[in-house]
Amino acid sequence: ETGVTQTPRHLVMGMTNKKSLKCEQHLGHNAMYWYKQSAKKPLELMFVYNFKEQTENNSVPSRFSPECPNSSHLFLHLHTLQPEDSALYLCASSQEGGGRSKNIQYFGAGTRLSVL
Amino acid sequence: AQTVTQSQPEMSVQEAETVTLSCTYDTSESDYYLFWYKQPPSRQMILVIRQEAYKQQNATENRFSVNFQKAAKSFSLKISDSQLGDAAMYFCAYRSAMGGKLIFGQGTELSVKP
Repeated sequence: ETGVTQTPRHLVMGMTNKKSLKCEQHLGHNAMYWYKQSAKKPLELMFVYNFKEQTENNSVPSRFSPECPNSSHLFLHLHTLQPEDSALYLCASSQEGGGRSKNIQYFGAGTRLSVL
Repeated sequence: AQTVTQSQPEMSVQEAETVTLSCTYDTSESDYYLFWYKQPPSRQMILVIRQEAYKQQNATENRFSVNFQKAAKSFSLKISDSQLGDAAMYFCAYRSAMGGKLIFGQGTELSVKP
């Protein structure tokens, strides 16, 4: 248990489906992140939220829609995905500001997404 | 832009032996952080060790230590007395001290032979 929980662990969806990934952090952090991990590629940052405000969108297609209702929860809404979107989606959180020691990102176990 | 390179896609080590994983990075910044993360088959990304660029002393966490060469922009991870549970994908990562995103290398898959 690392304090960052992601659900579901596995998801299979068709290209016309709409689904959501959920992330919850129990660490009292103020920043949350979505990463995409594809086979044989480095992790790619998708979105960053600081204090519930989106501060970075790394040129992600609009079929991925993030939502951060509060500092503990982060969602990734998915619609009309493509097969190449199949990947492991990782959520992370960190405490930003307030000193040099509080910038470590803690990760969840990820959601394995397969788009058929 | 900063980049992180791990030139060893796969490494293997005998149980109880020592192995070193390589990482190089490129940046024009002088203040930053470097990390090694471990991702076992469970997919949980676990922080192994962290180094602050302004500290000359190499970080150490039990059997894990780093060789941080700032001028050479090199950040290798040494695992001593390797254990079967060390088998995983290891990622090197960079982050500016100003904040912002983690930049990851491609990863090195470590196998441990009994």
